[in-house]
Amino acid sequence: ETGVTQTPRHLVMGMTNKKSLKCEQHLGHNAMYWYKQSAKKPLELMFVYNFKEQTENNSVPSRFSPECPNSSHLFLHLHTLQPEDSALYLCASSPAALEFYNEQFFGPGTRLTVL
Amino acid sequence: AQSVTQLDSHVSVSEGTPVLLRCNYSSSYSPSLFWYVQHPNKGLQLLLKYTSAATLVKGINGFEAEFKKSETSFHLTKPSAHMSDAAEYFCVVSDPNSGNTPLVFGKGTRLSVIA
Repeated sequence: ETGVTQTPRHLVMGMTNKKSLKCEQHLGHNAMYWYKQSAKKPLELMFVYNFKEQTENNSVPSRFSPECPNSSHLFLHLHTLQPEDSALYLCASSPAALEFYNEQFFGPGTRLTVL
Repeated sequence: AQSVTQLDSHVSVSEGTPVLLRCNYSSSYSPSLFWYVQHPNKGLQLLLKYTSAATLVKGINGFEAEFKKSETSFHLTKPSAHMSDAAEYFCVVSDPNSGNTPLVFGKGTRLSVIA
């Protein structure tokens, strides 16, 4: 595997379910990110992890809970979601969070549908 | 604070004709600028980036962009469109003064290529 991978690629869940999204990067990076991409809206940054420490929580509701056990893996735990949470969730990585000149590398995303 | 405006939400061109996707930015400092492309059901892929070196930046797949500080613009061009260029394009600005959330995404421009 190369680059940034995300599983599952598609997820359908009810509002009372608990599920997790997984992201793995094989690039040796130290920063990882979760984004939400909804139709007709700009990409929204949700969380930033730098060297496994959460450095940014962009006012995300507590029904989204991130976890970063090491620099290569990032999870997004989901519980009691709302239909408006249906979106494409993208994971990205970069060498380090504060290096503004570095691009981020994106995974293919998880398409989440909340019924 | 930095911001980015993509002037067209949708651009349609004929195959073999030039492509112009417009982007204006606002930044308090000398920013880095990026263009990403997103094909349907895929993650974002970096096309090119500007980081204060040459103002004309060449990217993948024949795309290029010119940084014009006086006009605060970073328009994306390609001399001849191909059917495979049909996708969503995002202009992104990164500012060293933006803390842990360096990348700010535009709303995207959907490029359609007509045979």
